[in-house]
Amino acid sequence: IAGITQAPTSQILAAGRRMTLRCTQDMRHNAMYWYRQDLGLGLRLIHYSNTAGTTGKGEVPDGYSVSRANTDDFPLTLASAVPSQTSVYFCASSDGLSGANVLTFGAGSRLTVL
Amino acid sequence: GQNIDQPTEMTATEGAIVQINCTYQTSGFNGLFWYQQHAGEAPTFLSYNVLDGLEEKGRFSSFLSRSKGYSYLLLKELQMKDSASYLCAVRGSNYQLIWGAGTKLIIKP
Repeated sequence: IAGITQAPTSQILAAGRRMTLRCTQDMRHNAMYWYRQDLGLGLRLIHYSNTAGTTGKGEVPDGYSVSRANTDDFPLTLASAVPSQTSVYFCASSDGLSGANVLTFGAGSRLTVL
Repeated sequence: GQNIDQPTEMTATEGAIVQINCTYQTSGFNGLFWYQQHAGEAPTFLSYNVLDGLEEKGRFSSFLSRSKGYSYLLLKELQMKDSASYLCAVRGSNYQLIWGAGTKLIIKP
């Protein structure tokens, strides 16, 4: 593993189903993030974690939950998927929040909810 | 509200120079970032500005004016591989990034 690994790469899901997107980083970064990217819109923050054991809500948290049991893993769960959650989901990490701390992104998970 | 504006799409010729503008209105300012995103791929970091002025990094330069809420990304000697979307993002008062919708740059031979 080098950087951030997301799984699955792509998934088609029936509405109402539960889905967990996995994210693992090997850079020992403190902060991790989940974004969604939709055509014509900027990346929107769903949830974030400043350090293991803590999480926070971003701009569009409804319908999503996260956990941060350890430094490396930050799964995103859709409890009951709806078609409006069709999107490309990016996990990212950074060494900290302030200054020039750069986000490193995973390759993305394309989710289609029918 | 908080807002990041950048053009939706730009077209330029291989070998030429292009300037991509970004204007922002945010509550607080803790730095401005430019990222490059090729189609179907993850965004990758290009540049960071926190003080006014120009930051140069090879063929790419980024400028910031905090008083005007304005930045631009300058790409010189354009290559076909520069065809991508360019994302402007501002770190606001809560230290989270606010993202523009991105500028799709099309390079023609």
